[in-house]
Amino acid sequence: DQQVKQNSPSLSVQEGRISILNCDYTNSMFDYFLWYKKYPAEGPTFLISISSIKDKNEDGRFTVFLNKSAKHLSLHIVPSQPGDSAVYFCAARATSGTYKYIFGTGTRLKVLA
Amino acid sequence: ETGVTQTPRHLVMGMTNKKSLKCEQHLGHNAMYWYKQSAKKPLELMFVYNFKEQTENNSVPSRFSPECPNSSHLFLHLHTLQPEDSALYLCASSQEGWKVLSPQPQHFGDGTRLSIL
Repeated sequence: DQQVKQNSPSLSVQEGRISILNCDYTNSMFDYFLWYKKYPAEGPTFLISISSIKDKNEDGRFTVFLNKSAKHLSLHIVPSQPGDSAVYFCAARATSGTYKYIFGTGTRLKVLA
Repeated sequence: ETGVTQTPRHLVMGMTNKKSLKCEQHLGHNAMYWYKQSAKKPLELMFVYNFKEQTENNSVPSRFSPECPNSSHLFLHLHTLQPEDSALYLCASSQEGWKVLSPQPQHFGDGTRLSIL
């Protein structure tokens, strides 16, 4: 049973427009969420995180929104740039006890110039 | 440069070979992780070490044997692997424990692409 789901395997967006990547989770114990970006032949790179005590966290062009009641988080990239083309993974963790992160399957974002 | 270095980057081995994957982190972190990434699957956690002690073994077959001699180094010893073990193996590290006021993200290496013939 997949506890973290990214239902869109791919997304194409025009340069300068907004990219919205979505992630759903099922475990109500999760209280820390992260987004990673991965380029081919490289490891995932940490992008932005959010704790469950917040519903929004912003870092430059990247904003993560958390809707705890819907068990849903999203990553907004504004404006999108061709260099943002990569695979984006969301991950979640229950911070009490284990250090276990659960990852989604990823969404491949393509930003068209 | 992520601060986490994995070697080798690529490895091709036969099913009867013995090889080891190496991971080194220069970030001063105390927790280290091995993940497996197969095509079209989420990253699967294999092992977690905290201060050299194994805290998680995610039902990994015994043909994978981890070793953590200190907080900066992590190895994955491979023996009699199967074709389905071909995947990208990623190492990560993070700062964990009671001294950390809030959760910290993991930092990943670039992985070892393993192919089993």
